[in-house]
Amino acid sequence: DTVMTQSPLSLSVTPGQPASISCKSSQSLLHSDGKTYLYWYLQKPGQSPQLLIYELSSRLSGVPDRFSGSGSGTDFTLRISRVEAEDVGIYYCMQGIHLPWTFGQGTKVEIK
Amino acid sequence: EVQLVESGGGLVQPGGSLRLSCAASGFTFSIYWMSWVRQAPGKGLEWVANTKQDGSEKSYVDSVRGRFTISRDNAKNSLYLQMNSLRAEDTAVYYCARGGRQFEYWGQGTLVTVSS
Repeated sequence: DTVMTQSPLSLSVTPGQPASISCKSSQSLLHSDGKTYLYWYLQKPGQSPQLLIYELSSRLSGVPDRFSGSGSGTDFTLRISRVEAEDVGIYYCMQGIHLPWTFGQGTKVEIK
Repeated sequence: EVQLVESGGGLVQPGGSLRLSCAASGFTFSIYWMSWVRQAPGKGLEWVANTKQDGSEKSYVDSVRGRFTISRDNAKNSLYLQMNSLRAEDTAVYYCARGGRQFEYWGQGTLVTVSS
C-alpha cells in the first residue's frame, strides 16, 4: 500500500500567520493522464471531514483562497497564508491513484 | 442541497453482521461513484470501499475484502455496506461519501461498535 507521511503531526499557529503541512507519499501520485491524485481534507472538531484541495492544487468551490496546495511526484504541501480561528482541526492528505486509497496520519492545527 | 444520511450502526458481537445504509438526496445519485470511509475512535481516516455508478466495479481495502460488500440501489438513491465476520478492529464511525476517490460530500457518520 502507498504510505502517506505527514509532518508535523501538530501545529500551533498565531492568527494571521502562515502555516504549512507536508505530505510525502511512498510512490509517485502522478498519473499518465497528467493529473496528480493528491487530496487535502480538513476535519473540524466534532464534524465530518470536508474536501479542501483536489488533484494537487485545485481548490474546491467555496474554499477560501488562503488555502493552497502544491508539490509534485511524492512531495506535497498544504499552505494556509493567514490562519484564522475557523481553520482549527485535523488536516489529512490522501492519495487516490494506487488502490487502496490511503490517508496520512493527520496534522492537528490549533490556534495559539 | 446534497445530503448523505447513514444509518444501521450499533453494537454487535465479534463475528456478527451489520448492514449500513446511506440515503442520498439533493443530487443525481446514479451518476456518481460512491464510497465508504471509516474512522476508529480517536484515530485517522481509512478508506474502506467504493462502487461505480452502476455497481459494476467495486474495490475494497484488504482488511475488509471478503467480509464486507458494498452495494447500491440507484432506484432508491441508496448505498449499502454489508459487514460480516465483524472484528473488534472494525469498530469505527463509518462515513458515506460521494465520489470514488474525490470525496466532495460526506455524511455525518454512523458508529459501529464490535464488542462482547
